[in-house]
Amino acid sequence: EPEVTQTPSHQVTQMGQEVILRCVPISNHLYFYWYRQILGQKVEFLVSFYNNEISEKSEIFDDQFSVERPDGSNFTLKIRSTKLEDSAMYFCASRTGTIGGGYTFGSGTRLTVV
Amino acid sequence: AQSVTQLGSHVSVSEGALVLLRCNYSSSVPPYLFWYVQYPNQGLQLLLKYTTGATLVKGINGFEAEFKKSETSFHLTKPSAHMSDAAEYFCAVEVDTGRRALTFGSGTRLQVQP
Repeated sequence: EPEVTQTPSHQVTQMGQEVILRCVPISNHLYFYWYRQILGQKVEFLVSFYNNEISEKSEIFDDQFSVERPDGSNFTLKIRSTKLEDSAMYFCASRTGTIGGGYTFGSGTRLTVV
Repeated sequence: AQSVTQLGSHVSVSEGALVLLRCNYSSSVPPYLFWYVQYPNQGLQLLLKYTTGATLVKGINGFEAEFKKSETSFHLTKPSAHMSDAAEYFCAVEVDTGRRALTFGSGTRLQVQP
């Protein structure tokens, strides 16, 4: 069964450093997403991406965050200057164009900012 | 905007007992409803979904859920719990207007006692 692949699985970074989280969505999917889950809390929407541009972003997704799809297969989330409160599990997801079709999630990257 | 409420952050059942995890949603338009399961240190796996048609939907691992529009509910059930069902369960909603992304509930951690 097709998978969404995320790397790395764990990342520890110092406050103020830039991090890039990587995802390879399912190849025939059209919509791509980043979600995050702070430890013990709900999964929160960050951003959606379609047709090579951001289609929607949440209030969490401020100027410190950016996404891109540099080569038609990878989908990345960059945090420019990490803060302690950015520590969370970050999930990438993709789906086909059909609403209600279900999302396929990756296994997540656990980001720890120290 | 749509929202999801999961009653009970922790549910404990005995092995072989009925599992009932509660989910209520709020949406001004017809919703698409999902249950996801998250095993420790893993990503989100789709258990089942409701889009249209039959209101009782069956998923993987013996789980099912019933969409009740009058009660705005989508409770998850399993007749007989197994130790391997211990995990975090998330209810989520998607709608075909506005933000086309999943909105998650806060999750219910299921414990299965031997």
